Amino acid sequence: LAKTTQPISMDSYEGQEVNITCSHNNIATNDYITWYQQFPSQGPRFIIQGYKTKVTNEVASLFIPADRKSSTLSLPRVSLSDTAVYYCLVAGGFKTIFGAGTRLFVKA
Amino acid sequence: ETGVTQSPTHLIKTRGQQVTLRCSSQSGHNTVSWYQQALGQGPQFIFQYYREEENGRGNFPPRFSGLQFPNYSSELNVNALELDDSALYLCASSLAGGTPNEQFFGPGTRLTVL
Repeated sequence: LAKTTQPISMDSYEGQEVNITCSHNNIATNDYITWYQQFPSQGPRFIIQGYKTKVTNEVASLFIPADRKSSTLSLPRVSLSDTAVYYCLVAGGFKTIFGAGTRLFVKA
Repeated sequence: ETGVTQSPTHLIKTRGQQVTLRCSSQSGHNTVSWYQQALGQGPQFIFQYYREEENGRGNFPPRFSGLQFPNYSSELNVNALELDDSALYLCASSLAGGTPNEQFFGPGTRLTVL
């Protein structure tokens, strides 16, 4: 399973766009990139997943360059309720290895 | 569609005791994974069950064991509890053959070992 590296924490203000980048230099050909969000005392919640290029859903976008050695989660116009820990995961199967995640603080 | 549920929500045990945690998977999901999350850390993979058999295991000792039932619900059993077993235990369900890593987590069981 590929190891991921992401910033420990980030601060933002309401209404701003937040980009969280994850490095995964050892990503394998059959690996997907998945992002989860977790609030305190709750289970992680699936945000978005991609294999290459760009993926967009109703809550976020995921940008993956051609070499797939990194990925960027983009959260448009964050609100206070987006304050959470965000995990980047890379794997091809169902064994999911979480890193320490990025703690995002959204300020008013 | 029913989401993933776990019971109990909180539990207090003493060192050396045994505990059983329960998980009901999301409707239609046949795979269940268990995770341990210590305070301030990311979830750590314990094991996964698919069609009632263990389908992969993380770096946890044998005193962590599990079961999956025909209805795909699951149990996590921990014997000889240690203080370091105090954590949030998360269950996640997924559909084998579906997109990798798209797992749906329950709210967790908070276990405190005294």
